[in-house]
Amino acid sequence: EPEVTQTPSHQVTQMGQEVILRCVPISNHLYFYWYRQILGQKVEFLVSFYNNEISEKSEIFDDQFSVERPDGSNFTLKIRSTKLEDSAMYFCASRELGGGNTDTQYFGPGTRLTVL
Amino acid sequence: AQTVTQSQPEMSVQEAETVTLSCTYDTSESDYYLFWYKQPPSRQMILVIRQEAYKQQNATENRFSVNFQKAAKSFSLKISDSQLGDAAMYFCAYCLRGGSEKLVFGKGTKLTVNP
Repeated sequence: EPEVTQTPSHQVTQMGQEVILRCVPISNHLYFYWYRQILGQKVEFLVSFYNNEISEKSEIFDDQFSVERPDGSNFTLKIRSTKLEDSAMYFCASRELGGGNTDTQYFGPGTRLTVL
Repeated sequence: AQTVTQSQPEMSVQEAETVTLSCTYDTSESDYYLFWYKQPPSRQMILVIRQEAYKQQNATENRFSVNFQKAAKSFSLKISDSQLGDAAMYFCAYCLRGGSEKLVFGKGTKLTVNP
């Protein structure tokens, strides 16, 4: 069964450093998402991406964040200057557009980001 | 703004018994979806079950079923014949149909299954 993959599984970085989290969505999916989960808290929406542009973003997704689909398979989340409060689990998700269970988002295994 | 409330931070159940997890949501929309996701200790988010708001029939997936009460804005999850592998955090989520269809999650319920 196709699945969403994410790399790395765990990233440790120093405060102020840039990090790039990578995701490979399911191949026929066209809508992509990033969510964040601070330890012990609920999962929060960051951004959605469709047709090579952001379709919606949350208040959390400020100028420090950016997303990109650099090629036909990868979907990345960049944090330019990490802060301690960016430490969280970051989930990528994708869904189809049109036909089948188009409303269902499938999640990757997550990247745990630790900012020191 | 839509909100999702899970009023039970923790629940426990004996193996082979049945447990119900509660979820309520607030929305003024009529066309939406509801989901239950399971998050085991590995922290991966796994889809358990989904429900379209326009369907009156409650969704079922093997041992998992929902009680969807649209007027009451309630969406509870019933797990029958609980197994040790069901132990996890369970998140209820809402998705407005159309647009980006972002998911709005509740705070989760931690389910413990006792042998």
